[in-house]
Amino acid sequence: KAGVTQTPRYLIKTRGQQVTLSCSPISGHRSVSWYQQTPGQGLQFLFEYFSETQRNKGNFPGRFSGRQFSNSRSEMNVSTLELGDSALYLCASSTGQSTTGELFFGEGSRLTVL
Amino acid sequence: QQQVKQSPQSLIVQKGGISIINCAYENTAFDYFPWYQQFPGKGPALLIAIRPDVSEKKEGRFTISFNKSAKQFSLHIMDSQPGDSATYFCAACRSGGYQKVTFGIGTKLQVIP
Repeated sequence: KAGVTQTPRYLIKTRGQQVTLSCSPISGHRSVSWYQQTPGQGLQFLFEYFSETQRNKGNFPGRFSGRQFSNSRSEMNVSTLELGDSALYLCASSTGQSTTGELFFGEGSRLTVL
Repeated sequence: QQQVKQSPQSLIVQKGGISIINCAYENTAFDYFPWYQQFPGKGPALLIAIRPDVSEKKEGRFTISFNKSAKQFSLHIMDSQPGDSATYFCAACRSGGYQKVTFGIGTKLQVIP
């Protein structure tokens, strides 16, 4: 069974640009969550989608947005990039049927903002 | 506001020793407490998890201890091995709801030979 796939793995952007990250969940998983990982903050929850609907959202500004498609693939977008947005962005999939904390993470997209 | 506080942030242990990572939470609505292990260049992976109706759970060399009244839980790695060198995250969430997991800041464990 293929795992969670995130693309691109690495990218470099400049301040003010926007970026779109993609996530393909494990087959059969309908929930996709996004987390931002930084050395000083650990993993911070961005948002979670289930069957194309955002069910939960973390405390991030509106520049961070996401969506989920009918095949459960998800994208997140960050507009007007700031230096502080440099981080590893992790996508996690799960069945979404119950909250057991069992998330299956991808290897992440490492974003560097210059 | 760190809802799950984790310490220490880094830990060096001799091979064969016991690694101990501590976490504390504030939200009493949390009722599921997983631990994740992350190797460099990889995403976190579920290691072991516990519910508050159990005071201890053991899987191989990994043991979670849970103190509901103190709102604290800890991970013990017995007979630590160099292959255990990784970053460990404690986490907490509410069951029956949505997939919002609150993570601790992480502990970078180094097991030296």
